[in-house]
Amino acid sequence: DAGVIQSPRHEVTEMGQEVTLRCKPISGHNSLFWYRQTMMRGLELLIYFNNNVPIDDSGMPEDRFSAKMPNASFSTLKIQPSEPRDSAVYFCASGEGDNQPQHFGDGTRLSIL
Amino acid sequence: GQQLNQSPQSMFIQEGEDVSMNCTSSSIFNTWLWYKQDPGEGPVLLIALYKAGELTSNGRLTAQFGITRKDSFLNISASIPSDVGIYFCAGRGNTGNQFYFGTGTSLTVIP
Repeated sequence: DAGVIQSPRHEVTEMGQEVTLRCKPISGHNSLFWYRQTMMRGLELLIYFNNNVPIDDSGMPEDRFSAKMPNASFSTLKIQPSEPRDSAVYFCASGEGDNQPQHFGDGTRLSIL
Repeated sequence: GQQLNQSPQSMFIQEGEDVSMNCTSSSIFNTWLWYKQDPGEGPVLLIALYKAGELTSNGRLTAQFGITRKDSFLNISASIPSDVGIYFCAGRGNTGNQFYFGTGTSLTVIP
């Protein structure tokens, strides 16, 4: 079975550039989550969607971050403009619904120079 | 957001030893999850717990949902080198789909 698919796996870019991270959830899952992981702060929830609708975006650090889910099989997390402190591993996870475990992708390792 | 306290932060053990780690919360949770993360990969679900007092096994791993609903425990018996990684707990309360994650326990197994 295909798991959560994220792309790219690695991205290195200069500060000020726009960064777009992509996620394809597991087919049939109706919840999608974006996380950021750093050594200092651990795993932080940025935003999550239920049935393609954003439910809680209180974890999004600032206006430079935006996320969309145009359909049930695709989501993007965009950072514009990017800054060095955005460097982290970004994970996407999906779940079958209320109270069901989340399944994670392998993440995008982002480095902003 | 919610913070889960996970301990110990790191462990160094000999191959064959048993391992215990735990996770505590200031709030009551209805669901506890345990994940393992290998370097360069995403967390992988190990065990899910849905009822207070529940004890669930997955091979050499056993996890328990604490009676108070504010804690959970993970035990690994007869550790092997491939158990190396970071173990995360996650808990969910009454509302919403959001799980709160612990800070992780880094496990090193010495052959």
